[in-house]
Amino acid sequence: DAKTTQPTSMDCAEGRAANLPCNHSTISGNEYVYWYRQIHSQGPQYIIHGLKNNETNEMASLIITEDRKSSTLILPHATLRDTAVYYCIVSKGPHTGTASKLTFGTGTRLQVTL
Amino acid sequence: NAGVTQTPKFQVLKTGQSMTLQCAQDMNHEYMSWYRQDPGMGLRLIHYSVGAGITDQGEVPNGYNVSRSTTEDFPLRLLSAAPSQTSVYFCASSFSRSGIYNEQFFGPGTRLTVL
Repeated sequence: DAKTTQPTSMDCAEGRAANLPCNHSTISGNEYVYWYRQIHSQGPQYIIHGLKNNETNEMASLIITEDRKSSTLILPHATLRDTAVYYCIVSKGPHTGTASKLTFGTGTRLQVTL
Repeated sequence: NAGVTQTPKFQVLKTGQSMTLQCAQDMNHEYMSWYRQDPGMGLRLIHYSVGAGITDQGEVPNGYNVSRSTTEDFPLRLLSAAPSQTSVYFCASSFSRSGIYNEQFFGPGTRLTVL
């Protein structure tokens, strides 16, 4: 699976958009980009995933560059409850039988402040 | 649905002791995995299973055994606990069909200390 690079930490004011970048320059054509977050000591929580098109759900938006070498997770109106470690993961899709093999790096620690 | 449940929540072992961490899911998920998370680190995959009767090793399998006799359960066994196995253990399951790809549901974790 492709390796990802994320900033160690970021700050965001409550109510503002949080933009979390991720570089994955070695991503291959059949690999997806996944985002998870881990609040305090809880188990990680799925946020969103994408292959090459931009994606949006009730939690966030995912913007993938045209060359797929980087992506940005956008939390449109960050709240204090969004303070967490955010993981960007690149992995093949489930039809290859590797659905369970997500490789978590150290992620970005997002601190949302008043 | 209870989702993914893990027992116990906390455990203290002495070096050399063995124990089994329990994981169960009630979502009929094919895939189940075990991860460990050391302080300040990301999660590392220990073992995973793509269905009942099928298991495989992840990144850090040494010192751990798994089996998958049913779809619901995926226990993790520590054969002879060592201080290096002090960690938080997370179990996860995922559903690979019907439009939801690779979304993994994680349990609350088991915090293990080996003295």
